[in-house]
Amino acid sequence: AQSVTQLGSHVSVSEGALVLLRCNYSSSVPPYLFWYVQYPNQGLQLLLKYTTGATLVKGINGFEAEFKKSETSFHLTKPSAHMSDAAEYFCAVSSGGSYIPTFGRGTSLIVHP
Amino acid sequence: KAGVTQTPRYLIKTRGQQVTLSCSPISGHRSVSWYQQTPGQGLQFLFEYFSETQRNKGNFPGRFSGRQFSNSRSEMNVSTLELGDSALYLCASSTDRGTNEKLFFGSGTQLSVL
Repeated sequence: AQSVTQLGSHVSVSEGALVLLRCNYSSSVPPYLFWYVQYPNQGLQLLLKYTTGATLVKGINGFEAEFKKSETSFHLTKPSAHMSDAAEYFCAVSSGGSYIPTFGRGTSLIVHP
Repeated sequence: KAGVTQTPRYLIKTRGQQVTLSCSPISGHRSVSWYQQTPGQGLQFLFEYFSETQRNKGNFPGRFSGRQFSNSRSEMNVSTLELGDSALYLCASSTDRGTNEKLFFGSGTQLSVL
């Protein structure tokens, strides 16, 4: 079985501040981990994914995430928030041969000027 | 390359009616998944189709059904609509080359049940 927990349904930051969105997963086998972003009135699009190899993964728009097996975490960060980063962010996990990723409930990122 | 296309974009129905939503995947993608998105529950997996066969199914009642055609286009149907079925329904397609493949999402169909 696999599951994802995203801590904080809303995260508010000032423009230029560090963005940190938290994701913890549960999986009985090595997982594949994903972060997706959803802008208003749109579907989800992939920001980045971890499969194997380097544990620090860089994605689009300056985001990156680090896979920490010991902490079962895959937190998403960005050094400096832009107004355009305001969106809903979803962490997802797939594992054990399942083609169906399990999504977290999402974190809404609010960016203040 | 065209993205995942979902139609219609918006739907308003009343309780007891039925509805059919359509999804055209990216050309060459054979796997199509459906998700229900609500503010309270996030993304809930409905079902996944591959080569016209339902390969995976989520925990939804039998009122929710789907199918996939030979050209990989997919439809989902909800019968006897309830107020709680109001949601954004998202369709996603993938190449189905492995469990680490990303999903490509459509913009969704916003269903309102009155």
